[in-house]
Amino acid sequence: AQKVTQAQTEISVVEKEDVTLDCVYETRDTTYYLFWYKQPPSGELVFLIRRNSFDEQNEISGRYSWNFQKSTSSFNFTITASQVVDSAVYFCALSEVGYSSASKIIFGSGTRLSIRP
Amino acid sequence: DAGVIQSPRHEVTEMGQEVTLRCKPISGHDYLFWYRQTMMRGLELLIYFNNNVPIDDSGMPEDRFSAKMPNASFSTLKIQPSEPRDSAVYFCASRQANYEQYFGPGTRLTVT
Repeated sequence: AQKVTQAQTEISVVEKEDVTLDCVYETRDTTYYLFWYKQPPSGELVFLIRRNSFDEQNEISGRYSWNFQKSTSSFNFTITASQVVDSAVYFCALSEVGYSSASKIIFGSGTRLSIRP
Repeated sequence: DAGVIQSPRHEVTEMGQEVTLRCKPISGHDYLFWYRQTMMRGLELLIYFNNNVPIDDSGMPEDRFSAKMPNASFSTLKIQPSEPRDSAVYFCASRQANYEQYFGPGTRLTVT
C-alpha cells in the first residue's frame, strides 16, 4: 500500500532563512508520481510540482527546489530565503500507476510552515 | 480555463437536512475526486471517478454519503441526513491521466 509521511507537523523560521520540508513515501510500484501542493491561509490547494519516478533530477524554480532520492524514498522541498508569503501548509503526495492507469493521489498529513517577519 | 468550480462555497444547515455539493471539473479531465478536509483527519479522499464511472469509493464514510457523475462536466456529493460531524471543507479536484490534480476552492460545510 502507498503511504506518504511528513514527519514535521509545524515549522517556524524567521524570514530570509532557508527551510526544508521533508517527505518520505512508501510504494511497491516502480512507476509512480510525486507531488507537492501548497495550501495558504485562504484555503485553496495550489499545485507546485509533479515528478515521475524515473526522473531523479533535482528541480529548481526560483526560491523553490526539490530533491528526489529514490534510494531513501524521499522527496524533500526547500525554500531558500523564505518570505512571509510562503507561510502555508504544504502537502506532499504520491500517485501510483495501476494496470488500468486508474490512479489516486494519496496525500501526507501536511507541514504547517510559518515565516516570522 | 475557469478551473474546477464548486458550489456553494459555504453551506450552513441543520442536522438531519440533506446537503448537495456540486462540482464542475476542468474540461478534458477524465478523473474527478472528492476530498474532505478536517483538522482531525486532514485531507481524506472520499471517492473518485474515471470517465464518469466511480472507481474507488472506499473513503466514503457511511451510507449517508453518495456521489454521482452523470456526465463529464458535473458531479454531486450528497449527504443525507447530515450530522454535525460532517462539518468540514469538501474539495473537488480533477486531473487528466497521471498529470497533476487541480483543486476547486472548496465548500465549507457547517452542520448545526
